[in-house]
Amino acid sequence: QSVLTQPPSASGTPGQRVTISCSGSSSNIGRNTVIWYQQLPGTAPKLLIHTNNQRPSGVPDRFSGSKSGTSASLALSGLQSEDEADYYCAAWDDSLKGVVFGGGTKLTVL
Amino acid sequence: QVQLQESGPGLVKPSETLSLTCTVSGGSISSYYWSWIRQPPGKGLEWIGYIYYTGSTNYNPSLKSRVTMSEDTSKNQFSLKLSSVTAADTAVYYCARAGSSSADYFDHWGQGTLVTVSS
Repeated sequence: QSVLTQPPSASGTPGQRVTISCSGSSSNIGRNTVIWYQQLPGTAPKLLIHTNNQRPSGVPDRFSGSKSGTSASLALSGLQSEDEADYYCAAWDDSLKGVVFGGGTKLTVL
Repeated sequence: QVQLQESGPGLVKPSETLSLTCTVSGGSISSYYWSWIRQPPGKGLEWIGYIYYTGSTNYNPSLKSRVTMSEDTSKNQFSLKLSSVTAADTAVYYCARAGSSSADYFDHWGQGTLVTVSS
């Protein structure tokens, strides 16, 4: 049972815009910034978004993040086949005094 | 470019201690938070804890009684020990670098190493 809640799956066709939600509480997303990771099959997670909406260098601007209250979302526009991966949200939790993750969302490009 | 590489036994017997080392190249382990994260086969990510370059540590409360992290700045390495392992500790273990002023996100990851707990 993950502290942050994500839908287990999402899908879209090439070129579409897809959003993935992440729900938390006042002790994590409500007080701290949200991070998103992309995990391609058989590889280590890769930092996609930090500080709610900041992209590290090299991450395409097709990826964007937002946060409102105790929820956050990741948006992918212009969906491509190589975006097929697992996506995880994360945040610092003040009660647990550590990093908590969502359960992950498997994105399928149809 | 900073690179991280996990090393250690791939098979550990139940009740024994899992020991892994992360070797950092392309940068110093000083001035950053360094974490361990694990992922059971087919499941999600779980944060195990971090060690700051000063030696201070912070562990996931669910694992705190069994976890010890340490560092060797002379070798640019940091390590994880998890005691009294069971089959539930079978996972891919990743080492990762967090920020210099906060430990909440990980910008560099190792490739991960699968540790199986089995007799």
